[in-house]
Order: sequence, then C-alpha cells, then structure tokens
Amino acid sequence: SAVISQKPSRDICQRGTSLTIQCQVDSQVTMMFWYRQQPGQSLTLIATANQGSEATYESGFVIDKFPISRPNLTFSTLTVSNMSPEDSSIYLCSVRQANTEAFFGQGTRLTVV
Amino acid sequence: RKEVEQDPGPFNVPEGATVAFNCTYSNSASQSFFWYRQDCRKEPKLLMSVYSSGNEDGRFTAQLNRASQYISLLIRDSKLSDSATYLCVVNRKGSGNTPLVFGKGTRLSVIA
Repeated sequence: SAVISQKPSRDICQRGTSLTIQCQVDSQVTMMFWYRQQPGQSLTLIATANQGSEATYESGFVIDKFPISRPNLTFSTLTVSNMSPEDSSIYLCSVRQANTEAFFGQGTRLTVV
Repeated sequence: RKEVEQDPGPFNVPEGATVAFNCTYSNSASQSFFWYRQDCRKEPKLLMSVYSSGNEDGRFTAQLNRASQYISLLIRDSKLSDSATYLCVVNRKGSGNTPLVFGKGTRLSVIA
C-alpha cells in the first residue's frame, strides 16, 4: 500500500487566481494521477503525471489550465490556473503500481468565489 | 458509449437484505477490475479486486464476465455501515501502467 499526503485539504479562492496542490507519497511509485470529482459526480481523470516528462492530459483538460509537475517518483503538484467558480471541486491525487489497485490522497476541496 | 457504466441507484434496502450492483465496461482490452467504496466527503477506498473466476470476501461477492464485459457486486446481510457509494473501476486498457476509470457510482442506503 501507499500513504499519500495531499495538501491543502481545502481552500477558498478568488476567481482569477491560481492554486497549487501538492501530493507526497511515502514510497516511490511508478504512476501518479490527478482526478477531479465535482459535486455529486464520480471521479474524472485529469492527467497522468509522468516523472521526467510532460504530463499526459485527458480530453477536455489542457496544460495551460492544469499544469502538473512531477520532479521525482514520490511527489507531484497540480495547479488550477485562472480559477472560475466552475473549477470548484474536489481534486484527488492517486498512485498506482502496475496491475494493482489505486490509492488516493484525502483530496483537496476547492471553492472558487 | 461511456467507458464504465453502472446502475444509477440509489438503492434503499433494509438491514439484512441482499443487494446486487451491476456494471458494464466498454474496452475489451481492460485487464484489471475493482470495486471501490466511497463514504460521504471521503476519498475512494478499495473494497475488493475482481478476478475472472469470481471472488468472495465475507459478505461481498464479485463476479466478472469478460464475454459480456460485465461486472457485479453482491452484498449479503446488509449492515447499516454498508451505506456508501460503490464505484465500479476498470483500468484503461491492457495491463500495467494505465490509469483507472471510474463509473459514476451507485449509492446504497441501508435502513434500520
């Protein structure tokens, strides 16, 4: 298993500003992912955070809006840029080793006002 | 067609009831299958993996039908503590380092 520390746990931000969410894992992991969960909805994959290269984004998500860093095998950040109220959501960091289940951070609850 | 589709729910059942959730997936190349549980305002947590031969964990039984691309979860003798949202989860394709795709979830409420 993996223990994931994600912060901040919640934030209230002004529209037009940016927020960077950090994800720290207690062991080296191959795969790190960022998901979004909007109110009453399931998890939607934003991107795969690749160590040493650019993240792989899902359809509907772009690097300019959600820049991602992954400097090593235990850490990643997701930035939500130029926020609008539609970005209000829970953002979840997830890790996975090959063929195993995914583990999640506790999530960041973002409210944009 | 969505990658993973589930019963919409909600399911409201009395304690002790048996309840079944169904799920279909679109990618025949998927190799890993799971059921996750998500409690209100919490992150998802693994309930059980789903194996080709079917598997059981206490009151929970998972089945996989690859030909029909269908997954099920059966909960017997429901407890109040089983109330949660159950997420059907499939890996994107093949095996190895691919992301997991989540269904919309089925909400279960077990009533005393």
